[in-house]
Amino acid sequence: DGGITQSPKYLFRKEGQNVTLSCEQNLNHDAMYWYRQDPGQGLRLIYYSQIVNDFQKGDIAEGYSVSREKKESFPLTVTSAQKNPTAFYLCASSTGPRRTRNEKLFFGSGTQLSVL
Amino acid sequence: AQTVTQSQPEMSVQEAETVTLSCTYDTSENNYYLFWYKQPPSRQMILVIRQEAYKQQNATENRFSVNFQKAAKSFSLKISDSQLGDTAMYFCAFMKQGQGAQKLVFGQGTRLTINP
Repeated sequence: DGGITQSPKYLFRKEGQNVTLSCEQNLNHDAMYWYRQDPGQGLRLIYYSQIVNDFQKGDIAEGYSVSREKKESFPLTVTSAQKNPTAFYLCASSTGPRRTRNEKLFFGSGTQLSVL
Repeated sequence: AQTVTQSQPEMSVQEAETVTLSCTYDTSENNYYLFWYKQPPSRQMILVIRQEAYKQQNATENRFSVNFQKAAKSFSLKISDSQLGDTAMYFCAFMKQGQGAQKLVFGQGTRLTINP
């Protein structure tokens, strides 16, 4: 089945530690996105990538880093500079620059990150 | 920049009733898409319905329909014959059409509870 896989489902970070959230898709999508969701709130865009080896900051990129070395993969690193990392993180993908008439985002099942 | 506002933090109705969730947005764009996403307790983001701004006809998907008022920048979701499984957070979202990343801008969400 085609889809987006996020792992792990739950992740715990110690003070001063960097952690990496995995996102893999087999939808052959060019574009991938990372969103952060805080309790009772909507999603905010952290980073996005339209093609391999290219990515841009979203609205709340500080304290995060990404890479896009493969089309299928878009890992997110939460660095020690992110002082309030506890949140639910959602990865998404879309067709990207090769536009279609059916524009929409497909979402993974998310990773809950908590601070120990 | 686009903004999306959902003015109802919580709503509650009895099973089989009809409920309408409100959404307004602000944009200077003329071509765009609007979405309603559902997030059940599993926290998976599920696309409920999608509207293209250039279409005057309101989108419908089974029990779900929208009232799209472009001039008023309003995009409400109506759920008919509500079911217990409709209990979830509902998010309204905006996507600009055209070249560039298919980024979604989300509202704060409405928590909908369907009571038996």
